Amino acid sequence: KQEVTQIPAALSVPEGENLVLNCSFTDSAIYNLQWFRQDPGKGLTSLLLIQSSQREQTSGRLNASLDKSSGRSTLYIAASQPGDSATYLCAVKGNDMRFGAGTRLTVKP
Amino acid sequence: DVKVTQSSRYLVKRTGEKVFLECVQDMDHENMFWYRQDPGLGLRLIYFSYDVKMKEKGDIPEGYSVSREKKERFSLILESASTNQTSMYLCASSFASAGSSYEQYFGPGTRLTVT
Repeated sequence: KQEVTQIPAALSVPEGENLVLNCSFTDSAIYNLQWFRQDPGKGLTSLLLIQSSQREQTSGRLNASLDKSSGRSTLYIAASQPGDSATYLCAVKGNDMRFGAGTRLTVKP
Repeated sequence: DVKVTQSSRYLVKRTGEKVFLECVQDMDHENMFWYRQDPGLGLRLIYFSYDVKMKEKGDIPEGYSVSREKKERFSLILESASTNQTSMYLCASSFASAGSSYEQYFGPGTRLTVT
């Protein structure tokens, strides 16, 4: 059974810092990996989707990488802003979809 | 833009009541999902549906049932609500074909409290 782990569970950084969120998974037989953002009390907003054949995807200040063989993905956020404060979840699509527990990010002004 | 809507943002129900949570998507997606999200436990799949009138159990189906009479609508039913079903419920949808990205789109969530 696929297990998805996100480290750290929480992260606090000053505004303007570049940061990396980590996601690891145990079974490399995946179709894709998806990064989501969740604001308190809200649903999930899809940020980036990386197909299993891809190495990375970029959207604005966000860059997600995928190393399927080692079971790792990273979400890089450049020049962080207070509006980036949220919980970030990764999800891995294999036979089913498995979610990590998330990293709660706080960006301080 | 894909839109997934859920019938209520907040619900308060009493123990033993029958509860209906509804989800509608407007992208002609084949797959629809119901998850619950609890602190420390993350998202757990309750049921999913890959076609009208078709359903599959997820990881935690006990105490729940589902209905999919139309492609765009997927309902989650709590036959007799209990306090341990207090949670955030999230609906999602996606395409199903092998050539698609399987990207899941989520609704805004329903915060259910059972007293």
